[in-house]
Amino acid sequence: KQEVTQIPAALSVPEGENLVLNCSFTDSAIYNLQWFRQDPGKGLTSLLLIQSSQREQTSGRLNASLDKSSGRSTLYIAASQPGDSATYLCAVITGANNLFFGTGTRLTVIP
Amino acid sequence: GAGVSQTPSNKVTEKGKYVELRCDPISGHTALYWYRQSLGQGPEFLIYFQGTGAADDSGLPNDRFFAVRPEGSVSTLKIQRTERGDSAVYLCASSFSEVNEQFFGPGTRLTVL
Repeated sequence: KQEVTQIPAALSVPEGENLVLNCSFTDSAIYNLQWFRQDPGKGLTSLLLIQSSQREQTSGRLNASLDKSSGRSTLYIAASQPGDSATYLCAVITGANNLFFGTGTRLTVIP
Repeated sequence: GAGVSQTPSNKVTEKGKYVELRCDPISGHTALYWYRQSLGQGPEFLIYFQGTGAADDSGLPNDRFFAVRPEGSVSTLKIQRTERGDSAVYLCASSFSEVNEQFFGPGTRLTVL
C-alpha cells in the first residue's frame, strides 16, 4: 500500500524567509502528485499538480518538484508571508485513481 | 463557475442514528470522490465514482457506509447506525476525468455523540 510521509510535521519561520516542505512516497508508480493547502476548519485548496512525466511546476511564489524514481517531492515557498500560514498536504494518485495523503506540515509564518 | 459544495457544513447526531451527507460536484466533472479526515490526519479515501457507478469502494470502512450518485452528478454518502468513531470531517472532491486534478469541497463536520 502506498504510504506518504511529510517532514517536518510543523515549521515556524520569520516573514520573508524562503522555505522547503518535503514529501516522500513509497510506491513510485504514480500518475501525478498534488500539493494542497488547508486552513483551520476549512477544506483543501489545490496549489499545484505535477504529472508523473514532469519534474516541476510553478505558480507565483510556489515551486513544486518531483523526483519519481526516488519517491520524493518538495514544495518551495519564496518570500514567505503571514498569509501563507496553513497546513500543507501532499498527495499522490496511483492506478487506483484515489489520492493517498500525507499527514501534512503545519506552517506558521511569524510577522 | 461554482466549486464543489457540501451540505450540511456541520452535523451533530446521536449514536445509532442514520445520516446523509450531500455533495454537489463542479458541473461537468465525471469523477467524484469521498474522503474522511480525522483530527491531525490527512484525508483517507472512501469511495470513487466515475459517472453513476462506484468504480472503487475499497475505502469504505464497513457495510454501515454506503454512497450513491444516481444521475452522475450529486452524490450522497449514507451512514447507518452511527458510532462515535465515525466523527470526522467528510470531504468530497471532483475532477474532470480520471487522474486529473481534484477539487475539494469545504467538508461536512460530523459529530456523533
